[in-house]
Amino acid sequence: NAGVTQTPKFQVLKTGQSMTLQCAQDMNHNSMYWYRQDPGMGLRLIYYSASEGTTDKGEVPNGYNVSRLNKREFSLRLESAAPSQTSVYFCASTDPGQSYEQYFGPGTRLTVT
Amino acid sequence: RKEVEQDPGPFNVPEGATVAFNCTYSNSASQSFFWYRQDCRKEPKLLMSVYSSGNEDGRFTAQLNRASQYISLLIRDSKLSDSATYLCVVNIRGMGRRALTFGSGTRLQVQP
Repeated sequence: NAGVTQTPKFQVLKTGQSMTLQCAQDMNHNSMYWYRQDPGMGLRLIYYSASEGTTDKGEVPNGYNVSRLNKREFSLRLESAAPSQTSVYFCASTDPGQSYEQYFGPGTRLTVT
Repeated sequence: RKEVEQDPGPFNVPEGATVAFNCTYSNSASQSFFWYRQDCRKEPKLLMSVYSSGNEDGRFTAQLNRASQYISLLIRDSKLSDSATYLCVVNIRGMGRRALTFGSGTRLQVQP
């Protein structure tokens, strides 16, 4: 049982490049989330998916798109990366029918130059 | 104003000390409360939920004061392994599908 996995672990992009961050969970959770964490800011919600086939904006969605490919996978896309998107990105999942506990992946450290 | 505010620290304490962190939240619609622990360059993990009556898990005690809108975490007999950042987390009613709001964390460094 791997829990929540994320790829890649590290990435360096140039301004204007695009990339997709991948996230998968094997806990059969319905809800999945993407957060970014910046120094002094705490984790901020980018997008979430309450269930397969649905996605909703969180606190800081600008510059990002998401896809809930199936129940297991939830990807985050940066279409045109900007230096302000330099951050650590965490994916999380939960089963809202059971508890509020969110399980996090190990994170992706992204630097945009 | 941030939804969840914490003293960033760091709190530097010797092994065996008792240390307490406080956290305040601004949204009265907050309905569930948690402490998460985050080790350096790692993902957050749930430490404990916080219940209205207060709750204890070994050396850790969490308390909630709804009237004053603050949450506390007390760590007794600190260990070196307690060194981490402690995140105060709330779930706000109506925010959507149990999305959580995180404080920016309080860093604890336990010294030998």
